[in-house]
Amino acid sequence: DAKTTQPNSMESNEEEPVHLPCNHSTISGTDYIHWYRQLPSQGPEYVIHGLTSNVNNRMASLAIAEDRKSSTLILHRATLRDAAVYYCILRDVWGGTASKLTFGTGTRLQVTL
Amino acid sequence: DGGITQSPKYLFRKEGQNVTLSCEQNLNHDAMYWYRQDPGQGLRLIYYSQIVNDFQKGDIAEGYSVSREKKESFPLTVTSAQKNPTAFYLCASSMDRSSYGYTFGSGTRLTVV
Repeated sequence: DAKTTQPNSMESNEEEPVHLPCNHSTISGTDYIHWYRQLPSQGPEYVIHGLTSNVNNRMASLAIAEDRKSSTLILHRATLRDAAVYYCILRDVWGGTASKLTFGTGTRLQVTL
Repeated sequence: DGGITQSPKYLFRKEGQNVTLSCEQNLNHDAMYWYRQDPGQGLRLIYYSQIVNDFQKGDIAEGYSVSREKKESFPLTVTSAQKNPTAFYLCASSMDRSSYGYTFGSGTRLTVV
């Protein structure tokens, strides 16, 4: 499975933008980039995913580098509710047995007032 | 509302007993997954199933068993052969294409005493 590298932790002030980086230098051309977040004692929650182009949804934006070897999850205005562990995961486009998600340890985001 | 339901939320069992964790989804998803999470760690895949009556071992299947008799249901049995069963167990489902995200349940916290 292609591997991702994320910082262990990051801090942000409330109401400020947060940029969560992810390196995936061994990404293949058929890997989607998925982001999930997990609040304490809950199951992970899907945030966003993309393949090549930048993506926006109501929760966040995903900026993908031109060479696809890195990506950044952008929370435009962090709130206390955004404090969670954020996982960056690669998922093969062909699905099947390669479509399962492999989780690393993620980035723990702390948001302060 | 569609979703994925895990029960119970908390489960206590004596050492040496088998225990079955329930996972039900009404999202009409093809694939279902079981993950285990230990404190401060990422998720590790136990078993997954892409269609009814078929399932595959994940990275840490020893001491666990599953069945997939219905599309909606994917129960996990933690057997007495599992050396360290105390953990947070998460069930997920998805369409079996990488362009879709996973939907996770809220988890079952199993404590073996």
